[in-house]
Amino acid sequence: AQTVTQSQPEMSVQEAETVTLSCTYDTSENNYYLFWYKQPPSRQMILVIRQEAYKQQNATENRFSVNFQKAAKSFSLKISDSQLGDTAMYFCAFIRIYNQGGKLIFGQGTELSVKP
Amino acid sequence: AAGVIQSPRHLIKEKRETATLKCYPIPRHDTVYWYQQGPGQDPQFLISFYEKMQSDKGSIPDRFSAQQFSDYHSELNMSSLELGDSALYFCASSLAVRGGGETQYFGPGTRLLVL
Repeated sequence: AQTVTQSQPEMSVQEAETVTLSCTYDTSENNYYLFWYKQPPSRQMILVIRQEAYKQQNATENRFSVNFQKAAKSFSLKISDSQLGDTAMYFCAFIRIYNQGGKLIFGQGTELSVKP
Repeated sequence: AAGVIQSPRHLIKEKRETATLKCYPIPRHDTVYWYQQGPGQDPQFLISFYEKMQSDKGSIPDRFSAQQFSDYHSELNMSSLELGDSALYFCASSLAVRGGGETQYFGPGTRLLVL
């Protein structure tokens, strides 16, 4: 079975600074994808970034980037130039690649507060 | 861009009643997923459908059933509601890719309160 662990229940950062959210996962699979989703106070689940396990290059999306360490089973999210709108719960998620319609397995989440 | 549509957005039911949640995927998406998120918890997978066939199944109670219709929309039917069913129910959709692992896009959720 796969598990996803986010060991930081809460974090805070000053506006315009950089923050890194941690995520580790456990799997015996070799083919999988990893995601970060954010859930602002509206409770909408919004895709932030995606990483294919077969790719060595870390994914980036504007101010968001990941540090993917496959051997260590680590997948951290770095948010640069933090903005007030980044305040949200952030979930790390894992999906095994085996067929269509596979399930996402989420971590417990990290509540990020961006302070002015 | 069109997003996943869920209805209703809010629902209040009494114990032992029945509820039906509807999900309309992003146009051309052929796969839908249902997740349940309790207060302060991460989303838990319930069930998914690809091309109108059940694809994967999680911890979905026997009191719940779901299906995907010919127009790809999906409905989650919940019977004999219990207080513990109060949660945010998400539908997500994706366009199937060979081998799986496609990105799932979430709807705004249906907030169910069971009294």
